[in-house]
Amino acid sequence: DAGVTQSPTHLIKTRGQQVTLRCSPKSGHDTVSWYQQALGQGPQFIFQYYEEEERQRGNFPDRFSGHQFPNYSSELNVNALLLGDSALYLCASSLRRLDYNEQFFGPGTRLTVL
Amino acid sequence: ILNVEQSPQSLHVQEGDSTNFTCSFPSSNFYALHWYRWETAKSPEALFVMTLNGDEKKKGRISATLNTKEGYSYLYIKGSQPEDSATYLCAFSDGNKLVFGAGTILRVKS
Repeated sequence: DAGVTQSPTHLIKTRGQQVTLRCSPKSGHDTVSWYQQALGQGPQFIFQYYEEEERQRGNFPDRFSGHQFPNYSSELNVNALLLGDSALYLCASSLRRLDYNEQFFGPGTRLTVL
Repeated sequence: ILNVEQSPQSLHVQEGDSTNFTCSFPSSNFYALHWYRWETAKSPEALFVMTLNGDEKKKGRISATLNTKEGYSYLYIKGSQPEDSATYLCAFSDGNKLVFGAGTILRVKS
């Protein structure tokens, strides 16, 4: 049983560019959440997708957008990249009907903006 | 704004020592408290999901307690081993998103 997978592992972009990160959830999971972890901080919630719709959003600008596909996989898009967007981006999957929101994480995508 | 605090920020112990970390979280609107273990270059691994005041959970040498009324949880590691070296994260759940603390970095020297 494959766990949560993310691609790519590492990515280098320049300011102003756009980036797309991808996530495949754990088998059987229907909900995907995205988190940003900046250096020295805990992961911060970006948004959550369920049934192909954004269900909840953290305190991130509209430059951050996402999508969920019918097979439950998800993409995170960031437009007009800033130096401060350099971080580890984590994807987590869960099964919505289960209690207590237990989330399983992927290994992350390391984004560097130059 | 939800704020989750973890202490200490980092900890260096000798093999065989027992250690504990603290996670403080808002006591209102509590849904669940999660503990994760995160080794470098790997995915965060779920340790415990705690929901009831007074909960105590154990997995091998690792255990955790929960006090929702005062808003804190303790994670204990008995007889630390080098393989326990990792960042330990706690996260407060409101039923949807997780709000993480900054983590406690544990280094166990052999």
